[in-house]
Amino acid sequence: DTEVTQTPKHLVMGMTNKKSLKCEQHMGHRAMYWYKQKAKKPPELMFVYSYEKLSINESVPSRFSPECPNSSLLNLHLHALQPEDSALYLCASSLGPGQVSYEQYFGPGTRLTVT
Amino acid sequence: DQQVKQNSPSLSVQEGRISILNCDYTNSMFDYFLWYKKYPAEGPTFLISISSIKDKNEDGRFTVFLNKSAKHLSLHIVPSQPGDSAVYFCAAKGTGGADGLTFGKGTHLIIQP
Repeated sequence: DTEVTQTPKHLVMGMTNKKSLKCEQHMGHRAMYWYKQKAKKPPELMFVYSYEKLSINESVPSRFSPECPNSSLLNLHLHALQPEDSALYLCASSLGPGQVSYEQYFGPGTRLTVT
Repeated sequence: DQQVKQNSPSLSVQEGRISILNCDYTNSMFDYFLWYKKYPAEGPTFLISISSIKDKNEDGRFTVFLNKSAKHLSLHIVPSQPGDSAVYFCAAKGTGGADGLTFGKGTHLIIQP
């Protein structure tokens, strides 16, 4: 099973709203990732969690706040977003450090529209 | 500066023939390379990977070749099938165990019947 699930599938929010994106995997992976993908562009890394600790933050604005409650769950809390933050937000997971393979498995994404 | 480059935005191939997708990289610290297939509004699907210590990896119809001296890799799909029509992303990872991936801009592969 290489499934990563993400909810919601679609989200429309105003610039003053607070919302959260959720990601879950049950593959026993110890690294989880958030990527952002704009139309006709490649995915861009936002955050990496390794063993439930934030290990990489690619200079993402503070209006995006990641959280890793346990090894299977990853959240992305959103607050005071801008219309240019509208994008497909992708979650991925991989085995983690010290493993022999580094494939990342992606969820279907959350299509976010900020109005 | 783009560290992973896919210089062909699109490629059209006849069904049954070989599809060859190319990728170049500039960062010598990359040590693991992956190919993903993506349909619109879906997450990327992992296809095949290769470590920098190898020069070839094969999985069914998919073969990835790595030329480390030229910093070039290619994905061969043979025979090409209509279901292969999608955007293909080349991605690279640094030496850290949980590094994020750096993606190329993608190549839209169209398989003609």
